Amino acid sequence: QSVLTQPPSVSAATGQKVTISCSGSSSNIGNNYVSWYQQLPGTAPKLLIYDNDKRPSGIPARFSGSKSGTSASLGITGLQTGDEADYYCATWDNTLSGGRVFGGGTKLTV
Amino acid sequence: EVQLLESGGGLIQPGGSLRLSCAASGFTFSDYAMNWVRQAPGKGLEWVSIISGSGGSTDDADSVKGRFTISRDNSKNMVFLHMNSLGAEDTAVYYCAKDRVNYISSWYYFDNWGQGTLVTVSS
Repeated sequence: QSVLTQPPSVSAATGQKVTISCSGSSSNIGNNYVSWYQQLPGTAPKLLIYDNDKRPSGIPARFSGSKSGTSASLGITGLQTGDEADYYCATWDNTLSGGRVFGGGTKLTV
Repeated sequence: EVQLLESGGGLIQPGGSLRLSCAASGFTFSDYAMNWVRQAPGKGLEWVSIISGSGGSTDDADSVKGRFTISRDNSKNMVFLHMNSLGAEDTAVYYCAKDRVNYISSWYYFDNWGQGTLVTVSS
């Protein structure tokens, strides 16, 4: 059971927008940066968003991140079938040994 | 271009030992901490271990503490995960992941991942 809570699944139609939430606490999201990872079926995770809302080079502007208080969100607009994947939020937790924690992951169906 | 290539996975009996390797290229290896992250079949991601750029500092998840040891050889751009007393709960794909920083005392994100190597613990 992760300290970061994500919905197990979300779905939306092609061309639509979807938001994936990640809920935590003051010991993690509330005082640390959040990153998001995309894992396409059968592949390794890939960095999608870092430092709450920044996109690495090559990540389309359709992907966005935000943080408010102890929650973070990943937004995807203009959904494509190629966006079907598992999405994970992650952050540092000040109270846990090792500190590095992932959310349980959200399966996006387009 | 950053490349991380894991190897060493396979089928191992419970109680056995295994060493995973990760060959890195495309960046100044000793400038970055390196990690191992695993994913059990059908499950989410779990951080396992980290080693600082110099190799002088390490940390492990509680689930593997005392059984797994991370090490690195900066002369060969390699990072290793030595796994002992393996159990069924260790069955997973193990990913090598590059850190954004050189130290281990805090964390921001993993900016590059390898393709993973599968470890199966079964009799």
